[in-house]
Amino acid sequence: DIVMTQSPLSLPVTPGEPASISCRSSQSLLHSNGYNFLYWYLQKPGQSPQLLIYLGSDRASGVPDRFSGSGSGTDFTLKISRVEAEDVGVYYCMHALQAPYTFGQGTNLEIK
Amino acid sequence: QVQLQESGPGLVKPSETLSLTCTVSGDSMSGYYWSWIRQPPGKGLEWIGYIFYSGSATYSPSLKSRVTISVDASKNQLSLELNSVTAADTAFYYCARHSHGFKVFDYWGQGTLATVSS
Repeated sequence: DIVMTQSPLSLPVTPGEPASISCRSSQSLLHSNGYNFLYWYLQKPGQSPQLLIYLGSDRASGVPDRFSGSGSGTDFTLKISRVEAEDVGVYYCMHALQAPYTFGQGTNLEIK
Repeated sequence: QVQLQESGPGLVKPSETLSLTCTVSGDSMSGYYWSWIRQPPGKGLEWIGYIFYSGSATYSPSLKSRVTISVDASKNQLSLELNSVTAADTAFYYCARHSHGFKVFDYWGQGTLATVSS
């Protein structure tokens, strides 16, 4: 199985400041079709996860442009340009290159 | 607007079978892949398996011997059966859709808690 490793696991951020989460995979997520099968989800308190970023860098519908995804191969980053109070929750990366899909441990973003 | 709604018994006895249903509204199931994902309370996410609307399923190796995912497209329903359950199977269970353009899990249900206890 592909192992997904996130850091940090806890991320206190002041509103208006940027934030960054790293996700590393144990093998390359770059498919022969040129896409990286790396996904980012946010699970707000008491809610189901929601898709933020797909294929490494494409924002899902309705996701604010302060969220951006980058990276290729085994190293990926989710960046929030200016954190808002509504961004609190647990962020997960996940690969969908092959079965079984696996998630990172989650990064808990909290407001300072 | 696509909506997914999980349902099933909240309590299951050890060694018995957990059976859940996901009802899809707002769109047909045809042409899509559908997954089950679970999350033990306070812990992370675990993918269980996916199925194409026509019925071909793929499972996580860690659960493959105990799990069956099926779809009834005529009823717009997805089902999960997990047999020989133990306390370790206590979790929130989510269904989710894989949409076109490689958008994996862009629609989720609200989740249902299944507790394994005697």
